[in-house]
Amino acid sequence: AQSVTQLDSHVSVSEGTPVLLRCNYSSSYSPSLFWYVQHPNKGLQLLLKYTSAATLVKGINGFEAEFKKSETSFHLTKPSAHMSDAAEYFCVVSAGFQKLVFGTGTRLLVSP
Amino acid sequence: DTAVSQTPKYLVTQMGNDKSIKCEQNLGHDTMYWYKQDSKKFLKIMFSYNNKELIINETVPNRFSPKSPDKAHLNLHINSLELGDSAVYFCASSQLLAGLSGELFFGEGSRLTVL
Repeated sequence: AQSVTQLDSHVSVSEGTPVLLRCNYSSSYSPSLFWYVQHPNKGLQLLLKYTSAATLVKGINGFEAEFKKSETSFHLTKPSAHMSDAAEYFCVVSAGFQKLVFGTGTRLLVSP
Repeated sequence: DTAVSQTPKYLVTQMGNDKSIKCEQNLGHDTMYWYKQDSKKFLKIMFSYNNKELIINETVPNRFSPKSPDKAHLNLHINSLELGDSAVYFCASSQLLAGLSGELFFGEGSRLTVL
């Protein structure tokens, strides 16, 4: 069965420093992977997606993620954090045509 | 103009009551979903409809009944509410099936509190 594990429940960074949110996946076939962001009291929004094309995927708001098959990882990064990046981030894997499986989320805290 | 809108945004009710949450999307999408997000932020699919036809029905109690009168609307009715039903319920829609595109458009959620 397809699953994702988000290795950190909380990540704290200072504004202007790099962001790294870690995600490992488990899949019996070549997966499609996604990152979603949820700002407080809002719905989720797609940040970026990997669907077996380029392994380095660029998303909105300066985020990017790299698919590493050898490490079964799909970590989310951003060179310089902004206060507005504070949110909950979800790593997601497709499970067949119809379903997405969400990770447990990582809360990103950004301090001035 | 909100793409996926849910009403009500907040719902506080007593155990044993029946309640409904409504969802509408104006994106012209063919597929709609209900997700449940618990207090630890874990998000789980409940139901999915494609062109008004039920295609996903996860292990959800029979007290939960979705209804799709047309492909722009997907409502969720819950009978005999229990404490454990307290959660945020998200409606979402997509043009393609979720696993194909991965791009779901979410509403802002309906926070249900059962006392």
